[in-house]
Amino acid sequence: GAGVSQTPSNKVTEKGKYVELRCDPISGHTALYWYRQSLGQGPEFLIYFQGTGAADDSGLPNDRFFAVRPEGSVSTLKIQRTERGDSAVYLCASSPSQNSPLHFGNGTRLTVT
Amino acid sequence: DQQVKQNSPSLSVQEGRISILNCDYTNSMFDYFLWYKKYPAEGPTFLISISSIKDKNEDGRFTVFLNKSAKHLSLHIVPSQPGDSAVYFCAASAASGTYKYIFGTGTRLKVLA
Repeated sequence: GAGVSQTPSNKVTEKGKYVELRCDPISGHTALYWYRQSLGQGPEFLIYFQGTGAADDSGLPNDRFFAVRPEGSVSTLKIQRTERGDSAVYLCASSPSQNSPLHFGNGTRLTVT
Repeated sequence: DQQVKQNSPSLSVQEGRISILNCDYTNSMFDYFLWYKKYPAEGPTFLISISSIKDKNEDGRFTVFLNKSAKHLSLHIVPSQPGDSAVYFCAASAASGTYKYIFGTGTRLKVLA
């Protein structure tokens, strides 16, 4: 079946612009996670949804970052006033329930120039 | 505060021999641990997991060992194959928390033919 799909696969934007990153989880998966991975580092937790609600957003670095999952399926990560330090690979993952292995997408590589 | 640590950034092993990847954690509330493999330009792929009620879990060539008193887990791959060359991440979560997974920084395994 289809895995986790992330679009776009690459995004180049100028400093100060707004970007949206999209994640289509595996059908039926109730849990959805966003992570950020910088070069040479492990995935860094950003936010976790259980259904439509954000169960834990403690990893969002500041108020420029926001994520939604309005219908409990597709999620969008939104970054306002992008900075060069936001450049990273943004990974989305879903799982059928809490405390189940995560299934990752291939990520969106964001480059802020 | 790095709650999950992989102190070896890289490891080289001869084909057919055993690969041992190590992971340490500091949070005693962690009770579910996973190993992921990552190839370049792809998302992490789930390999094997272990619950804190066990000290060993085996799946084919992959075995994970958990030592709760030492807060240490390891992944054994035997026999190692060239296709195992990838970056390996360990991750941990706590059922008493919000089920977010904390990842280590990864170990790059190179299996030499």
